[in-house]
Amino acid sequence: EVQLLESGGGLVKPGGSLRLSCVVSGIIFKTSAMSWVRRTPGKGLEWVSAVSGSSPRTYYADSVKGRFTISRDNYQNTLYLQMTNLRADDSAIYYCAKEGNYGDFDYWGQGTLVTVSS
Amino acid sequence: DIQMTQSPSTLSAFVGDRVIITCRASQTISDWLAWYQQKPGKAPKKIIYKASSIELGVPPRFRGSGSGTEFTLTIDGLQPDDVATYFCQQFYSYPGNFGPGTKVEI
Repeated sequence: EVQLLESGGGLVKPGGSLRLSCVVSGIIFKTSAMSWVRRTPGKGLEWVSAVSGSSPRTYYADSVKGRFTISRDNYQNTLYLQMTNLRADDSAIYYCAKEGNYGDFDYWGQGTLVTVSS
Repeated sequence: DIQMTQSPSTLSAFVGDRVIITCRASQTISDWLAWYQQKPGKAPKKIIYKASSIELGVPPRFRGSGSGTEFTLTIDGLQPDDVATYFCQQFYSYPGNFGPGTKVEI
């Protein structure tokens, strides 16, 4: 059974930082391209960042470029998202997702809530 | 970036109705489109890939069609379990932008 389990969300003040984690099981993690996607009431689903499989290249949405860093630990089967200089509009449920054969997302975690508020 | 739009934003229908959701891309994406169903409090679930291929285990009342810039998701015989928000997503090019979603109510 494929499982993606996110953690690390919480309440943080504007300008603060958080690190999200996503532990993955049931797939060959090291060759899987992975992404972070967030859901907000106002914007719906927004792709945030992606990292390729075995030769990691990283990609970012313009809205988070320079503030967020995606990384992976292929020994621990874990995906990370380091978020800095957080803003109110970063408040969302953050999901990790595995890319399928066509670049869409075939497995998702249950999400972790990030709230940026003073 | 390729922009995605969806219509309607909210849809209310009766059990048994045929429901049609439209998704448009700002430039051609061939058939590189997926549809996701997200129920309240749950993660999104892929139901259609490559515009018209149904994901394993998804009821056959769900049907995807289209190519280029215009796509539709049809639910033939709406069921109470189909209450959810539906999103389209293009994966022709990075970033794989999503449409804004269509909330389906009974």
